[in-house]
Amino acid sequence: QVQLVQSGSELKKPGASVKVSCKTSGYVFNSYALNWMRQAPGQGLEWMGWINTNTGNPTYAQGFTGRFVFSLDTSVSTAYLQISGLKAEDTAVYYCARERGRTACFDPWGQGTLVTVSS
Amino acid sequence: EIVLTQSPGTLSLSPGERATLSCRASQSVSSSYLAWYQQKPGQAPRLLVYGASSRASGIPDRFSGSGSGTDFTLTISRLEPEDFAVYYCQQYGGSPPFTFGPGTKVDIK
Repeated sequence: QVQLVQSGSELKKPGASVKVSCKTSGYVFNSYALNWMRQAPGQGLEWMGWINTNTGNPTYAQGFTGRFVFSLDTSVSTAYLQISGLKAEDTAVYYCARERGRTACFDPWGQGTLVTVSS
Repeated sequence: EIVLTQSPGTLSLSPGERATLSCRASQSVSSSYLAWYQQKPGQAPRLLVYGASSRASGIPDRFSGSGSGTDFTLTISRLEPEDFAVYYCQQYGGSPPFTFGPGTKVDIK
């Protein structure tokens, strides 16, 4: 079955960097775009952007430019989210999700990765 | 930006009751691009309904979606204990292309 499995929780200090992985299986990797969402503690869902799994071209939502980088390793069907210059307000659960092309919704989702930024 | 507003913020109901959740858009949304998700504590969201009214694979038929234009509804015909959760609507269109509503929490009365 289709699965997205993310890397484990991270505890980082302000100013550090973190790289979250999203390993996919059960389908042809480059047939679907992958999207990233953020959920701050006790808050709703925020779309961060997406990456074209054919070209590797990323698109970032406003507010997620500069410190956020989406990338791929197609050899292992895995997408990555790297955040640099971490701030306390980056503390959140980050989700990857496969986009269902024609219906523009997300299914399935990875289980989420909690990134905690604290000194 | 298309802003989604969900109401009520919290819905307190008993098992067996009917739940009606509203999602209102600031601009017209194509029905093809309106989806609903369920999220339980500590879990990732799960797709329930896409295209405003099509149930995702494995979703029980007590969940149904309807609506068009700017007004959409998710109905749970008879609440089961496992349905108490937060529900989000999501649309595609405009800039940014994807936005989510703030969520409706369905809790046990």
